[in-house]
Amino acid sequence: QSALTQPASMSGSPGQSITISCTGTSSDVGGYNYVSWYQQHPGKAPELMIYDVNNRPSGVSNRFSGSKSGNTASLTISGLQTEDEADYYCSSYTSSSTLVVFGGGTKVTVL
Amino acid sequence: QVQLQQSGPGLVKPSQTLSLTCAISGDSVSSNTAAWNWIRQSPSRGLEWLGRTYYRAKWYNDFAPSVKSRITISPDTSKNQFSLQLNSVTPEDTAVYYCARDDGRSIGVFDYWGQGTLVTVSS
Repeated sequence: QSALTQPASMSGSPGQSITISCTGTSSDVGGYNYVSWYQQHPGKAPELMIYDVNNRPSGVSNRFSGSKSGNTASLTISGLQTEDEADYYCSSYTSSSTLVVFGGGTKVTVL
Repeated sequence: QVQLQQSGPGLVKPSQTLSLTCAISGDSVSSNTAAWNWIRQSPSRGLEWLGRTYYRAKWYNDFAPSVKSRITISPDTSKNQFSLQLNSVTPEDTAVYYCARDDGRSIGVFDYWGQGTLVTVSS
């Protein structure tokens, strides 16, 4: 049971937009602006896509954007492309001694 | 460009010690801003942060409560690497283990990852 809750799967057609949610508590997502999102292709390590809720690292497409409202953070992928098909994980700083907690992951399928 | 190269055995017997090493290029394990982490991933537990080591005038470690009694993370400045030791392993410790850098720009932001090592705990 992951600390943060994500939908198990989502799908969209090329060119469409999808938004993945990540729900936590006031001890993690809701309490701090330290939410990150990672993309993971099969057999590969996760790759940082968004940090601090809505910041993109250098080199990440501006089709990826993040936001947060209350205890729920969101990742939006605009203009879906076939290469966006992957698993996406959210993470957050937590005030517990665990330091960082992750979501269970969302499998995105591009139809 | 930072690169993290993991090494270590993929099979460990129950009750023994899991040992992995992460060699760093393009940064320093003694960096005053970065932190060096171990994270694992399994179907049953998902992604799980295990712990970190970092240098801020002296060495510090933080560990997840779930493994705190069994884990050691050690820097090796002579080889610019850091290692993970997890004692008394059980089949529940079977997972892909990753090392990852937190560059210090924020909290818990892992911008570079090792390639991952599948460790199976089995007799």
